[in-house]
Amino acid sequence: DAKTTQPPSMDCAEGRAANLPCNHSTISGNEYVYWYRQIHSQGPQYIIHGLKNNETNEMASLIITEDRKSSTLILPHATLRDTAVYYCIVRVNNNDMRFGAGTRLTVKP
Amino acid sequence: GAVVSQHPSWVICKSGTSVKIECRSLDFQATTMFWYRQFPKQSLMLMATSNEGSKATYEQGVEKDKFLINHASLTLSTLTVTSAHPEDSSFYICSATPGAGGGSTDTQYFGPGTRLTVL
Repeated sequence: DAKTTQPPSMDCAEGRAANLPCNHSTISGNEYVYWYRQIHSQGPQYIIHGLKNNETNEMASLIITEDRKSSTLILPHATLRDTAVYYCIVRVNNNDMRFGAGTRLTVKP
Repeated sequence: GAVVSQHPSWVICKSGTSVKIECRSLDFQATTMFWYRQFPKQSLMLMATSNEGSKATYEQGVEKDKFLINHASLTLSTLTVTSAHPEDSSFYICSATPGAGGGSTDTQYFGPGTRLTVL
């Protein structure tokens, strides 16, 4: 059973912010929200993760709603190299990680 | 930090032969390593979890006698596909979770993947 729901695809103009939504309405209190991305024919790349508070790092920002049932990954200034499949994952336990279908983000010139 | 490598990056083999894929954590010790496979246009599917010094735990539907996993050290896990057949052709990806002192202990870091083609 999928624990997260993401739109299958999104487009974004180069230089603009890319906002990728994720629904995780059945998330448990001790489960983190993780975001990875996979560029074609490569292994997934870790982006960011969070529990309750919003998080920001050099790659992206993660906004988690107060009820924790959804989150948004924000790439502030998308570039062509950000074209990838983005996975939102809710951890089953400290180690287990299950991938859904993800969102295919296409950044267009 | 937290770099995971895989070798080889791609391999082509004949049906019936065995293929070994190595996964190494380069700058941290990995208490746990994971093996995934990914068919074209599909998502990653977890195959097995291996902990250093103990037997791997396989996901339902994954044949443990076909996909042999060895995690002999804190920096190396190997996946051997035995008696490979064309339907085993896939992209195999490993990941590792650092122990103390290497990145976030809750984050999995992924290797670049190994593309296996069985003729």
